[in-house]
Amino acid sequence: AQKITQTQPGMFVQEKEAVTLDCTYDTSDQSYGLFWYKQPSSGEMIFLIYQGSYDEQNATEGRYSLNFQKARKSANLVISASQLGDSAMYFCAMRGFNFGNEKLTFGTGTRLTIIP
Amino acid sequence: EAGVVQSPRYKIIEKKQPVAFWCNPISGHNTLYWYRQNLGQGPELLIRYENEEAVDDSQLPKDRFSAERLKGVDSTLKIQPAELGDSAVYLCASSPPGVIGYGYTFGSGTRLTVV
Repeated sequence: AQKITQTQPGMFVQEKEAVTLDCTYDTSDQSYGLFWYKQPSSGEMIFLIYQGSYDEQNATEGRYSLNFQKARKSANLVISASQLGDSAMYFCAMRGFNFGNEKLTFGTGTRLTIIP
Repeated sequence: EAGVVQSPRYKIIEKKQPVAFWCNPISGHNTLYWYRQNLGQGPELLIRYENEEAVDDSQLPKDRFSAERLKGVDSTLKIQPAELGDSAVYLCASSPPGVIGYGYTFGSGTRLTVV
């Protein structure tokens, strides 16, 4: 079984500041992938960044970076220089590679609000 | 490249009525997923298809929900009869074969309201 925990229901951040969204996970798989998605008020799920469990370096995609700490089973999303358009729900998700775990399992999400 | 297309975008029905949702995945994506997202929650998998075969339907309430993916392309998710608790957003997603790090592409979803 896989489980994703996001403990921050909501966050308020000043524009241009960096923000860290927390995510911890639990899985019995040795190999797995971790994802972050953004969901604006319009409802679509937008893929942001991916980290493989055996990747030695933290993933980065533009202003997004993933702080992966395997021993602590955490995969926090860092958004640098936040913008008003970053206001949205953010979901952490994981996918295992063992039989039965080849599906995205999501956390409950964090609502991020950027303040001008 | 067209994204994952879902219809309808919104649906309001009375309880006990049937309802169907349609999904057209990205061309070449052999894996298709139906997720349900309750208000304030993350999406939860209902069913996963590899081509036309349903390989994971363990979370699908089979007494009232059914799904099909004829010819391994389009898919339809049906609820009959609908209950008040079925009100949610139903998301379809697809992914290509053999690419693990590729984020699944989601459609815009169908927001179902059962009254």
